[in-house]
Amino acid sequence: KAGVTQTPRYLIKTRGQQVTLSCSPISGHRSVSWYQQTPGQGLQFLFEYFSETQRNKGNFPGRFSGRQFSNSRSEMNVSTLELGDSALYLCASSLSGSYGNEQFFGPGTRLTVL
Amino acid sequence: KNQVEQSPQSLIILEGKNCTLQCNYTVSPFSNLRWYKQDTGRGPVSLTIMTFSENTKSNGRYTATLDADTKQSSLHITASQLSDSASYICVVSAYDSNYQLIWGAGTKLIIKP
Repeated sequence: KAGVTQTPRYLIKTRGQQVTLSCSPISGHRSVSWYQQTPGQGLQFLFEYFSETQRNKGNFPGRFSGRQFSNSRSEMNVSTLELGDSALYLCASSLSGSYGNEQFFGPGTRLTVL
Repeated sequence: KNQVEQSPQSLIILEGKNCTLQCNYTVSPFSNLRWYKQDTGRGPVSLTIMTFSENTKSNGRYTATLDADTKQSSLHITASQLSDSASYICVVSAYDSNYQLIWGAGTKLIIKP
């Protein structure tokens, strides 16, 4: 079974631009969660989608948004990029939700904002 | 406030030695506790997941313990190998009106030959 894939793996943007990251979960998994990880920080939860609906949301500004498609693939969008958005963005998939279920993480997208 | 604290922040040991990583949490109501291993620049990989009623769980050379009364967990690594060099993250889940996962900052473990 193929694992979680994220594209692109690396991205360089400038302040003020917007970016879209993509995540394809493991086949059969219906839940996708997104996390931000900065150096020295724990993973910060962004949001979770299940069957195309946002089920849970972390404490991030509205510049961070996401969506999930009918095939469970998910995208995350960040508008008006700031220097502080530079981070590793991780996507995790699970069968029916991160609560009580094992999450499988992708390799991440390394975003650098200049 | 729900929090997960891990110690030590970093640890260096020689190959072949054992080590124990600590996780203390103030999370309520507690649902389950997970340990993840994260190699540099990669996504975390699940090692164990324990519910309230489980005291210990093993995954190869990794053994996690949970004391729900004192709200402490530990991850013991036996006969360390160079490939064990990674960050180890403790995650506690809580369920109230909604659920949340509270992530610790991790312990960075370095194994030296």
